[in-house]
Amino acid sequence: KNEVEQSPQNLTAQEGEFITINCSYSVGISALHWLQQHPGGGIVSLFMLSSGKKKHGRLIATINIQEKHSSLHITASHPRDSAVYICAASSNYQLIWGAGTKLIIKP
Amino acid sequence: DGGITQSPKYLFRKEGQNVTLSCEQNLNHDAMYWYRQDPGQGLRLIYYSQIVNDFQKGDIAEGYSVSREKKESFPLTVTSAQKNPTAFYLCASSIFDGGNQPQHFGDGTRLSIL
Repeated sequence: KNEVEQSPQNLTAQEGEFITINCSYSVGISALHWLQQHPGGGIVSLFMLSSGKKKHGRLIATINIQEKHSSLHITASHPRDSAVYICAASSNYQLIWGAGTKLIIKP
Repeated sequence: DGGITQSPKYLFRKEGQNVTLSCEQNLNHDAMYWYRQDPGQGLRLIYYSQIVNDFQKGDIAEGYSVSREKKESFPLTVTSAQKNPTAFYLCASSIFDGGNQPQHFGDGTRLSIL
């Protein structure tokens, strides 16, 4: 079993829908990262959080330390949000990577 | 603008050949990383460096080599010993090592076998 699991693996939705991507981890962490990988391959860091919730524009990331679970939400989704979303857990001074969730938003 | 530059974007390797992937950053970051990404899998760490003239093996270092002669540069050589080199390679940097700092990524190099 992987130490960082993401679900779903693939998600297709219509423009405007509210999107939730989940990340569960089984190790002790000091922080949880969410990143976005564009279709061309480049990766951008979205959030780093160790507790509570962070918001940036239409993106919201939450973490529940007790349940070892984090979620990434996208409100009013748009086709330009189509990408692979990756979570990574900081544990023992290293990053443990999830396999990613491929999101497609249809117009 | 500060950032990370990887080159080339696409690279082809012949059997038995070593190839070198370039990674340059002007963010003044101490830590630099090389990752390999295969379809449907998470990123896997090849090598990382916390300071000039020092680097450590990651999870899949066999068949790869690196150098860190300058703070700005962290080239990766894929040697002929790497029997399955076809993959997408990503270079990243952060202010310092430890996993508690955001990593900044280059746009990647896609390596294929001829």
